[in-house]
Amino acid sequence: LAKTTQPISMDSYEGQEVNITCSHNNIATNDYITWYQQFPSQGPRFIIQGYKTKVTNEVASLFIPADRKSSTLSLPRVSLSDTAVYYCLVGRGSQGNLIFGKGTKLSVKP
Amino acid sequence: GAGVSQSPSNKVTEKGKDVELRCDPISGHTALYWYRQSLGQGLEFLIYFQGNSAPDKSGLPSDRFSAERTGGSVSTLTIQRTQQEDSAVYLCASSLSDGIPYEQYFGPGTRLTVT
Repeated sequence: LAKTTQPISMDSYEGQEVNITCSHNNIATNDYITWYQQFPSQGPRFIIQGYKTKVTNEVASLFIPADRKSSTLSLPRVSLSDTAVYYCLVGRGSQGNLIFGKGTKLSVKP
Repeated sequence: GAGVSQSPSNKVTEKGKDVELRCDPISGHTALYWYRQSLGQGLEFLIYFQGNSAPDKSGLPSDRFSAERTGGSVSTLTIQRTQQEDSAVYLCASSLSDGIPYEQYFGPGTRLTVT
């Protein structure tokens, strides 16, 4: 799995849009980019996955530039309940173990 | 439907004792994974099952750790002669073998404390 780099922490306020960027310079041709969310005392939860351009679901959007060396998770209008750790993972398109870094701890304030 | 369940939710044991942790994956999920997470750290992969076989045991930290899966469903992770450094949250996840790559469903974890 390709190494990823993301900010250790971010602060935001309710109602704002939050963008978390992940760098993955060594991404391989057939690697997917996957984001997970983890609340305290819970297991991680799959949020979104993409390969290129833009992916959107009911929770978030994922923006991937043409060179795929980075990706940005966008959370629209965050609320207090979005306070969590967000992990960026990069790996090839097959099942296998996940390698999580320390993630980005997002704190949403009122 | 029911998600991944793990038991016990909390386990306190004395150093040197053996412990067994159980995972019930989502019905129909053939892939099962064990991870552990130390306080404030990311997840550490331990072992991966496809059906009842374990093609990847590379993450088991020592021979005190073992895991099995029977009937393609329930899995147990056994830690023998526990040490204080084994204290962590042990997470189990399951997935469809032909599902979205890297979409794994995690259980709530077992918090293990070795005193």
